[in-house]
Amino acid sequence: KAGVTQTPRYLIKTRGQQVTLSCSPISGHRSVSWYQQTPGQGLQFLFEYFSETQRNKGNFPGRFSGRQFSNSRSEMNVSTLELGDSALYLCASSSSGSLNTEAFFGQGTRLTVV
Amino acid sequence: AQKVTQAQTEISVVEKEDVTLDCVYETRDTTYYLFWYKQPPSGELVFLIRRNSFDEQNEISGRYSWNFQKSTSSFNFTITASQVVDSAVYFCALSAGGYNKLIFGAGTRLAVHP
Repeated sequence: KAGVTQTPRYLIKTRGQQVTLSCSPISGHRSVSWYQQTPGQGLQFLFEYFSETQRNKGNFPGRFSGRQFSNSRSEMNVSTLELGDSALYLCASSSSGSLNTEAFFGQGTRLTVV
Repeated sequence: AQKVTQAQTEISVVEKEDVTLDCVYETRDTTYYLFWYKQPPSGELVFLIRRNSFDEQNEISGRYSWNFQKSTSSFNFTITASQVVDSAVYFCALSAGGYNKLIFGAGTRLAVHP
C-alpha cells in the first residue's frame, strides 16, 4: 500500500512569488491535513480537508489556502511568499474524520524562500 | 486552551541506557487523544502510539513503553536499552475539540551514542 506522497520534495522560490504544493493521501483516505514545521515555531496546523470540504483551519494568514479534489488529493497554495514561509510542509492523511484516527505523514516539501 | 509541553529540548545517552521523554498536556475537553511521533532525519513523522483519555493503562511495545497519568496530565515515553537507531526527534501531540487537528509539543531531540 503506497504511503502519503508529497511533491515536490524541495522547492526554492523568490519573495513575492506564489507556490503550490501537492499531497496524495493513502488510497481510501478521505481526510488530509497540512502542517508547517519551522525551527522557531515547531509544528503548526494549517488546515484539514475531508471530502473536499475544509473543516478546520489554523491561525495562518489568508495567503495560505488549500483545496481537496474528489480523489482526495490535496493542494496547498501560498501566495506572496515571505522569507518566513521557509519551512517543511507536511501533509497527513487519515481514513476518517474522527479524533481517534491515526494520521500518516508524508516526507514533506521543504520550501526555501530567498 | 490546548497545549503540549515537552520540556526536554535535547537528550544525549549512551547505547543501552534507558531514557524517558516527558510530555505534559493541557486541555479542557474530556475526550481527547494523545500521540507520540518519531521524526527521523528523512523528515516524515512516524506514528508510535495513540491513547484516548478514557484509557489510562500503560502500554509496552518491545523496548518502548508509555505511562499515561491523567492526574498529572502527563504522557511519558520510555525507551529501554536505547539503540543508535532510536536517534531522532520525538513529538508528543494532542487531538481534542476538532477533527484530526494535532497540537504538537516542541519535540525532544534524542541522540544515542555508541
